[in-house]
Amino acid sequence: EAGVAQSPRYKIIEKRQSVAFWCNPISGHATLYWYQQILGQGPKLLIQFQNNGVVDDSQLPKDRFSAERLKGVDSTLKIQPAKLEDSAVYLCASSKTSEYNEQFFGPGTRLTVL
Amino acid sequence: QKEVEQDPGPLSVPEGAIVSLNCTYSNSAFQYFMWYRQYSRKGPELLMYTYSSGNKEDGRFTAQVDKSSKYISLFIRDSQPSDSATYLCAMGGGSNYKLTFGKGTLLTVNP
Repeated sequence: EAGVAQSPRYKIIEKRQSVAFWCNPISGHATLYWYQQILGQGPKLLIQFQNNGVVDDSQLPKDRFSAERLKGVDSTLKIQPAKLEDSAVYLCASSKTSEYNEQFFGPGTRLTVL
Repeated sequence: QKEVEQDPGPLSVPEGAIVSLNCTYSNSAFQYFMWYRQYSRKGPELLMYTYSSGNKEDGRFTAQVDKSSKYISLFIRDSQPSDSATYLCAMGGGSNYKLTFGKGTLLTVNP
């Protein structure tokens, strides 16, 4: 079974630029999560999708971050414009359902904002 | 007070040692408790999953939950250099199924 795929693995941009991350979850997983992991911190949930609907986006900075999940499969997370404090690893995870099942994480995208 | 507190370490032990990793929490609604292992430059992977209080054992790993003290532990017996990683506790409760993670403890097992 293929795992969660993310791209790119690394991205370096300057502040005020825009950036987009892509995630392909495990086939058949209905729930998809985007987390932000700042160095030395645990993952913080940004947004949770159930199929292609948003379940929780309470911690998503909506003035600059946006996310969508097309046809309930792949997802993109965008930051526009980026700030220095957005430097972090962005992790995508998926699970079979939205209940407390195992979440399978991708390798993450390491973003550096200069 | 943060919802989940975890000592970030770092923790360095010799091979074969027993390792104890801990988290405390403040939210009484938490009922699901997990431990994730994260190797450098990788995503977290689930190690142990416990519902409510009690112990769970899987090979060299034992997870304990004490809800009365709001305290969870992960024990690693006969630690190996391959156990060197960051260990994250995660917990949740309620209908939103949201997980709250600790900061993670960086463990190094020296051969």
